[in-house]
Amino acid sequence: EAGVTQSPTHLIKTRGQQATLRCSPISGHTSVYWYQQALGLGLQFLLWYDEGEERNRGNFPPRFSGRQFPNYSSELNVNALELEDSALYLCASSLAGVNGYTFGSGTRLTVV
Amino acid sequence: SQQGEEDPQALSIQEGENATMNCSYKTSINNLQWYRQNSGRGLVHLILIRSNEREKHSGRLRVTLDTSKKSSSLLITASRAADTASYFCATERAQKSNDYKLSFGAGTTVTVRA
Repeated sequence: EAGVTQSPTHLIKTRGQQATLRCSPISGHTSVYWYQQALGLGLQFLLWYDEGEERNRGNFPPRFSGRQFPNYSSELNVNALELEDSALYLCASSLAGVNGYTFGSGTRLTVV
Repeated sequence: SQQGEEDPQALSIQEGENATMNCSYKTSINNLQWYRQNSGRGLVHLILIRSNEREKHSGRLRVTLDTSKKSSSLLITASRAADTASYFCATERAQKSNDYKLSFGAGTTVTVRA
């Protein structure tokens, strides 16, 4: 069974640009979660999508947005990038947290 | 905001020794989960303990949960160099029906010396 896959692995953008990160959940999982792990700040909850709809979002500005497609894959978009957006972005999928969450390997975004 | 707090922040032990780390949280939970992260890569789910459980084992891992004290502990027995990683506790609480999300602590960095 394929795990959660994220692309790209690394992404370098300049300040003010937009970044698009992608995530494919485990087959059969309908929920996708996005987390930001900035250096020294731990994992911060960003967004939760389930059945194509945004169910919950963390304390992040509106320039962080995303969507979930009919095949349950998801995109995270970050507009007007700022230097402090540099972080590891982790995607996870689950069946409503029944047996834990499965995380992807992450996308490391660097804003210069 | 962070729900869990791990203690200690860092732990250095000799191979073969046991490693114990603790997690405290603030609100009622559905379950508590422990994850491992190697060198800034993705998280690996280790174990999930539900709010009505007190202890759970998985291989060399033992997790306890005390809901009256809002705390949990993770014990790794007979540690190996490959156990070197950061360990995170995460709590899941449904604030409303179907409102699932994980809240993570800041993690404990474990170094196992050969």
